[in-house]
Amino acid sequence: AQRVTQPEKLLSVFKGAPVELKCNYSYSGSPELFWYVQYSRQRLQLLLRHISRESIKGFTADLNKGETSFHLKKPFAQEEDSAMYYCALDTNAGKSTFGDGTTLTVKP
Amino acid sequence: NAGVTQTPKFQVLKTGQSMTLQCAQDMNHEYMSWYRQDPGMGLRLIHYSVGAGITDQGEVPNGYNVSRSTTEDFPLRLLSAAPSQTSVYFCASREMPGNTIYFGEGSWLTVV
Repeated sequence: AQRVTQPEKLLSVFKGAPVELKCNYSYSGSPELFWYVQYSRQRLQLLLRHISRESIKGFTADLNKGETSFHLKKPFAQEEDSAMYYCALDTNAGKSTFGDGTTLTVKP
Repeated sequence: NAGVTQTPKFQVLKTGQSMTLQCAQDMNHEYMSWYRQDPGMGLRLIHYSVGAGITDQGEVPNGYNVSRSTTEDFPLRLLSAAPSQTSVYFCASREMPGNTIYFGEGSWLTVV
């Protein structure tokens, strides 16, 4: 069975500091990994997916199959990045497994 | 674009009552899912569907039923509400595995 672990429930950084939200996964197949974000009073939305290898709002995430990780990084955090972040893993069967989420607070 | 629409947004139920959370999407997506979001427990999959007429259980299916008679609609039924079902429920859809998941705005359910 697949599993996604986000070890930090809460993460607090100052504006302008680097931020890294950790995500580890376990899955026997070839994983499709995503980061979703939920801003206050908004619905969950896609932030980025590993297959597209793009940077969204300054965030990047690299899939490391050796360490089974998909950490989300941003070199300079902004106050508007404060939100709940979910790492998610897809299987070919159409099931998605989400981590428990990390609440990021960026302090001024 | 409407995307994924859930109703009701808020509901209070008494223990033992039944109700249906409605979900509709207008993107012609085959895959639809229901999740519940509880503090400290992230999103947990309740039931999902890979197409009209096909449903399957997720991690926490007990106490919930689903059906998928059309591509657009995927209602979630609580058969006999319990306080443990107090949660925020999200409906979601996607075109196929590996594609972006689109979420509804959520339904806040309280069972007293």
